[in-house]
Amino acid sequence: DAGVTQSPTHLIKTRGQQVTLRCSPISGHKSVSWYQQVLGQGPQFIFQYYEKEERGRGNFPDRFSARQFPNYSSELNVNALLLGDSALYLCASSSPFRGTDTQYFGPGTRLTVL
Amino acid sequence: KNEVEQSPQNLTAQEGEFITINCSYSVGISALHWLQQHPGGGIVSLFMLSSGKKKHGRLIATINIQEKHSSLHITASHPRDSAVYICAVRDGRGADGLTFGKGTHLIIQP
Repeated sequence: DAGVTQSPTHLIKTRGQQVTLRCSPISGHKSVSWYQQVLGQGPQFIFQYYEKEERGRGNFPDRFSARQFPNYSSELNVNALLLGDSALYLCASSSPFRGTDTQYFGPGTRLTVL
Repeated sequence: KNEVEQSPQNLTAQEGEFITINCSYSVGISALHWLQQHPGGGIVSLFMLSSGKKKHGRLIATINIQEKHSSLHITASHPRDSAVYICAVRDGRGADGLTFGKGTHLIIQP
């Protein structure tokens, strides 16, 4: 059974551009969470989606948005990119939506903003 | 907001040594996760704990809910255990994702 997949693997953008990152959860998982990991730091929570609805949002500006599709895959969008948005973006899926579920992480998308 | 502190930040040990990594948090939680991250970024979930102790192979994780503290132990350490070990907690409400520590960078030398 395939694990969590993310695309693209690597991405280079310039300041001001917009980017879309994609995540496919493990089959049967209905919850997807997004995290940002800046080099040398632990990941920071961005969003959690469950059954296509936003269930949690971290302390990120409105330039960050996400959605979840009927097949439970998810997209993270970042507008007006800043140099500080350069990071590894991680997606994690889990099931069901409660506080004690195991998170399964994807390999991440490394975003570089020049 | 939960504050998660890990110690040590960096740890270098010889093959075969017993390793302990500590994690403390400030607010009551519903679960604590220990994760392993290798160079390149991939994260693997090692344990999820809400009480007591869990063991998987050479890895042991314990949690003391009253003291808001957890430890990850590695017995008979091996160079392939070299990685960043991250503690993460989910608060008592169960929402709003995980809060992560900064990680412990472990190097096991042959």
